[in-house]
Amino acid sequence: AQSVAQPEDQVNVAEGNPLTVKCTYSVSGNPYLFWYVQYPNRGLQFLLKYITGDNLVKGSYGFEAEFNKSQTSFHLKKPSALVSDSALYFCAVRDMSRGSTLGRLYFGRGTQLTVWP
Amino acid sequence: DTGVSQDPRHKITKRGQNVTFRCDPISEHNRLYWYRQTLGQGPEFLTYFQNEAQLEKSRLLSDRFSAERPKGSFSTLEIQRTEQGDSAMYLCASSSLLAGGPLLTDTQYFGPGTRLTVL
Repeated sequence: AQSVAQPEDQVNVAEGNPLTVKCTYSVSGNPYLFWYVQYPNRGLQFLLKYITGDNLVKGSYGFEAEFNKSQTSFHLKKPSALVSDSALYFCAVRDMSRGSTLGRLYFGRGTQLTVWP
Repeated sequence: DTGVSQDPRHKITKRGQNVTFRCDPISEHNRLYWYRQTLGQGPEFLTYFQNEAQLEKSRLLSDRFSAERPKGSFSTLEIQRTEQGDSAMYLCASSSLLAGGPLLTDTQYFGPGTRLTVL
């Protein structure tokens, strides 16, 4: 079964410090992995995705994510956090195995990131 | 590109009533998705369309739910005989699958959502 786990409900970090939001996945085939951010009462905004190639993916607003196949992880990172990065972050996976339901994304429960001044 | 739009943004209804939501995807996006998000959870897939064809439906989409995309442009999601458990944020997303492009590398872009409250 396809699943995504975000082991931390909350991450708190001081402005200017590096941040990491963790994500692990479980799929039976090769995964396509995504990160989205959600601000209060808003829809999800796309940050970045991993399809194939370089394990380090760069995305919007200075975010990047590292794909690690052996650890089945896709952690979101940013070298220097901003107060405006405070939001809810979702990791998602699209299962690419034969016979899988190819349209849908499977989302984690989300991680609330708080960056304090 | 004006983004995905959804209407209404908020809907309050009484149990047993029918509601209909509309989603307008990004222009020329041929794929359209519906998700439901409850408090403290990530979005859960409901259904998706490629052009006007509904290609997949989740088990979450009970008989009371129906979705259409009659001309391959906007889509509607109707919930009949609403229940309190239907209270959630309903999200629409669209994507463009380029002809000849790598399969399923399309990115889903989400609208602002419709928040449904069933009293």
